[in-house]
Order: sequence, then C-alpha cells, then structure tokens
Amino acid sequence: EIVLTQSPGTLSLSPGERATFSCRASQSVTSTYLAWYQQKPGQAPRLLIYGASSRATGIPDRFRGSGSGADFTLTISRLEPEDFAIYYCQYYGGSPPGWTFGRGTKVEIK
Amino acid sequence: QITLKESGPTLVKPTQTLTLTCTFSGFSLSTSGVGVGWIRQPPGKALEWLALIYWNNDKRHSPSLKSRLTITKDTSKNQVVLTLTNMDPVDTATYYCAHSYCFTTRCNRDFDYWGQGTLVTVSS
Repeated sequence: EIVLTQSPGTLSLSPGERATFSCRASQSVTSTYLAWYQQKPGQAPRLLIYGASSRATGIPDRFRGSGSGADFTLTISRLEPEDFAIYYCQYYGGSPPGWTFGRGTKVEIK
Repeated sequence: QITLKESGPTLVKPTQTLTLTCTFSGFSLSTSGVGVGWIRQPPGKALEWLALIYWNNDKRHSPSLKSRLTITKDTSKNQVVLTLTNMDPVDTATYYCAHSYCFTTRCNRDFDYWGQGTLVTVSS
C-alpha cells in the first residue's frame, strides 16, 4: 500500500506570499497518476493539478505542480485571498490499483 | 456540463446498511474509459477513497472496506449506487461521488468533477 505524507500540516502565510508544500510517497510512484486538489470549508474538493504538473481546466497559472519519483510539490506563487484552503495530494496505483489521498496541508492566513 | 449529485439517508443506525445513489449528467457511463468513484471524508479529517466502477463494469474497492462495499451502476438512469454494510459511528462522514476517465488523450486517474457531498451520520 502506498502512503502519501503531506507536509507541513499547516502553513501560515499572508496574501501575496509564496506557498510551497510537499507530498511524499512511501515508494517511487508514476507521476502520471499524481494529482492535487483544493478544498474549501463546506465544499467538495476541486482538481488543481493532474499528472503531477498539468493544471486542470480553469486553474490559474499561479498554481504549479512539480516533482518525480517519491517527492512532489505544489507551489502557489502569490497567495490570493481565495487560496486559503486545504490541499490534498492523491495517487492512483499500488496492487491492486486504487486511489490514495494524503492527509492534507492547510494554508491559513497569518 | 458534467454534474453529479449524491442522495441517500442522512442518519443510519449502527449495524444498518447504507445505500447511496449518485445521479449524474453530462456524460455516460457507457462511454469507454469513464468511471464514477466514491470518496468519503469524516468531519475534520482527510479524504478516503472507497470504490469506483468503470463503463465496462470493472470495479475497484478500497482493500480495507472491500468486504463491506458494493458498487453498481444503472447506465440507463445515469446512476451509480454504493452500499456499505454494518455501519458504525466511525463511518460518519460526508460521502462524495466523482467522475474519472481514462482516454487515449488523457489518462491520469484523477477525479475531475465532484458532487456536493452528502453527510451521513451513524448513531443510535
């Protein structure tokens, strides 16, 4: 079973700052199947990044996904007020194949 | 425009079976490569994938819940049904259904459209 560890648990930043957070897999994984989601309170998750680095439809270019192997990163270049939320990484794979989510990183206003 | 909506009971008693329905529009589960999955989220906790069914009736289940889960589809009604047996208070969560696909042009196994979720509380 592949485990995704997200860090930090919480990130306290101000609007305009850069946010960087990590998703580390318990083993090397295929970046094709690594995705990032944003979730705001009371809302369903929204797909941000698929294939580790491709932005989903309508996602602003301040969101950037990168990484390979077991280490992946989501970067928000300049935080907008609407970006304060929880971010989850997700991977498809394993044996048998299934979907795994990380425990999330909360980006809060400092 | 793809939309999904979950429906079912908001309250179930311990040991009962939960049945949730996902009704969707904007796509067909008879289209090659399309799948609908279920994901849940206990209050204040992380997302947990439960099950997914593909257009060809291929099914995937979370190993930790496989013995309690059933997922089926009714293509003519544009619905996917999830049942979870022997409910326990720890199963209290918001349950989401979501669209996934694998086409030759893009096959990344993510969930690109989600329903709004339905909160299910397990309590006597």
